[in-house]
Amino acid sequence: ETGVTQSPTHLIKTRGQQVTLRCSSQSGHNTVSWYQQALGQGPQFIFQYYREEENGRGNFPPRFSGLQFPNYSSELNVNALELDDSALYLCASSLELEGGYTFGSGTRLTVV
Amino acid sequence: GESVGLHLPTLSVQEGDNSIINCAYSNSASDYFIWYKQESGKGPQFIIDIRSNMDKRQGQRVTVLLNKTVKHLSLQIAATQPGDSAVYFCAENTYTGGFKTIFGAGTRLFVKA
Repeated sequence: ETGVTQSPTHLIKTRGQQVTLRCSSQSGHNTVSWYQQALGQGPQFIFQYYREEENGRGNFPPRFSGLQFPNYSSELNVNALELDDSALYLCASSLELEGGYTFGSGTRLTVV
Repeated sequence: GESVGLHLPTLSVQEGDNSIINCAYSNSASDYFIWYKQESGKGPQFIIDIRSNMDKRQGQRVTVLLNKTVKHLSLQIAATQPGDSAVYFCAENTYTGGFKTIFGAGTRLFVKA
């Protein structure tokens, strides 16, 4: 098992730009979730994909979108970046819909 | 509304003592609960989980208790060690209005040597 890896580790973008964050899940993990974690707070659920279909979404606007690929990788795309989008973005994968979530170390996004 | 909250934002314990971290959840329809440990600069690490058809589950040095009557979850850490110092989050999975995972704000555990 290689764990969950995220790239890049840090990123600085300008307000209004678009960003794509990437995640490579553990082999065989059919479920991937994305979270936004502001400093000093708990992770906020953005959405979850199961077998390449979105099966749950938190209270985030449509400019947050995602994809899951057959090779267990996934992407989080954020359009029209706002200053408040600055946060740690976490990816987590699990073998099935529930249980044993493994998190990556996150991508620190700063919007200026 | 949906929320998972923690009673104690900061907990300080002596090495070797037992720690208890509490969590309240508001969605009675939630059916799966997880405790995570997050160290500085890292993603959350799965500690233990429990399903709503159970009221207790034990792992290595950790026990999770679920009281559905009062919608309360707790994590007990036996013989707390300095390496247990971290922020602990409870999380619940709910299917109300579609699948969601809701995290609490976290409790920081300090272990004094």
